[in-house]
Amino acid sequence: EAQVTQNPRYLITVTGKKLTVTCSQNMNHEYMSWYRQDPGLGLRQIYYSMNVEVTDKGDVPEGYKVSRKEKRNFPLILESPSPNQTSLYFCASSRQDSNQPQHFGDGTRLSIL
Amino acid sequence: AQKVTQAQTEISVVEKEDVTLDCVYETRDTTYYLFWYKQPPSGELVFLIRRNSFDEQNEISGRYSWNFQKSTSSFNFTITASQVVDSAVYFCALTSFSGGSYIPTFGRGTSLIVHP
Repeated sequence: EAQVTQNPRYLITVTGKKLTVTCSQNMNHEYMSWYRQDPGLGLRQIYYSMNVEVTDKGDVPEGYKVSRKEKRNFPLILESPSPNQTSLYFCASSRQDSNQPQHFGDGTRLSIL
Repeated sequence: AQKVTQAQTEISVVEKEDVTLDCVYETRDTTYYLFWYKQPPSGELVFLIRRNSFDEQNEISGRYSWNFQKSTSSFNFTITASQVVDSAVYFCALTSFSGGSYIPTFGRGTSLIVHP
């Protein structure tokens, strides 16, 4: 089954404690991206990757890191999480670029206390 | 800069009513793509439709239809004879080519509540 898998689905943690949200897709997609969804703000892109070892900033990259060492994986790293990063996060992938329909993971709800 | 405006924050209808969700976009690019996604209460995001800027044909898929008008920079979504299962947040999105990549921009979403 074609899917984008994010882990964990839910996480409550404390300020400053490094965390990683994993994202994996099994569709051999070149393009992967991370979004955060906040009430009243819709989805905002954090980082994206056009292919292996190619990453770039989206609209709200501050406080986040990503890596793309393998085509299927695109982890999101919060080196020193802060309460303003409490949000619902989605990983997405698509063929070639974001002009293609994006397949989204089920979301990760992060709470930073 | 590009922008997507979904002016309707929340719409409430009774089952079997028709409902239109508005989407207005801004972009300077001549090549761009428009999307609608659905986010049901379970939270996942589901792709509904994609349209490119050169194809202004309207589309119908069952009870869903989309009206793309470049003259008014709008890409509206109509649900005919709404059902409770249509209750969801609907996002309109635009991607246009800039700096070597397509940049996606999402609207803030319209929450549709369909009452039985």
